[in-house]
Amino acid sequence: EVQLVESGGGLVNPGGSLRLSCAASGFAFSTSDMGWVRQAPGKGLEWVAAISSSSGHIYHTDSVKGRLTISRDNTKNSLYLQMNSLRDEDTAIYYCARMVAVAGTGTHYFDYWGQGTLLTVSS
Amino acid sequence: QSVLTQPPSMSGAPGQRVTISCTGSSSNIGTIYNVHWYQQLPGTAPKLLIYGNTNRPSGVPDRFSGSQSGTSASLAITGLQAEDEADYYCQSFDNSLTAWVFGGGTRLTVL
Repeated sequence: EVQLVESGGGLVNPGGSLRLSCAASGFAFSTSDMGWVRQAPGKGLEWVAAISSSSGHIYHTDSVKGRLTISRDNTKNSLYLQMNSLRDEDTAIYYCARMVAVAGTGTHYFDYWGQGTLLTVSS
Repeated sequence: QSVLTQPPSMSGAPGQRVTISCTGSSSNIGTIYNVHWYQQLPGTAPKLLIYGNTNRPSGVPDRFSGSQSGTSASLAITGLQAEDEADYYCQSFDNSLTAWVFGGGTRLTVL
């Protein structure tokens, strides 16, 4: 059974830092592309970051570039999101998700999702 | 303002058919990039419903179907059931933003 379990969320002051983790099991993590998607309270889904299986390709949405950084450790079957210089608008549930490439297009969909971890940025 | 546009809300009676639209542009749906759909039940994580415009993952009822034409896509739900009450999101890739993009979501109410 595929499982993605996020952890590390909590309450942090504006300007603070936090690292989210996602523990993966039940599938070949080391050959899977992965991503983070967030959802602000009462709002829709927003893609945050993506990383290829070998970490050779990394992408971040413009609003987080230079502040949030995706990484992974294939030896630990874990995905991370290092979050620095946090802002109020980063408050959201952060979901870890496996990304599957669509044959012939080079793009992806998100087939398995974790339960999410809540980050609240507030003083 | 989402790159992909969906109606904020829709409703239907049990047994009816509803269609949720997703409108994009020439830099996303209108290219080679497929559209995918997710269902989010209240208080839960999103679940993949349709991938590659028309394909259903194992376990998704055939009441759910997807289509795509030009710069738009649609999710159709036939034989509407109370358990279908949820938020629905479309998703694609935008090559001008180099970003995976979601629609703003459609809240479906079963009357």
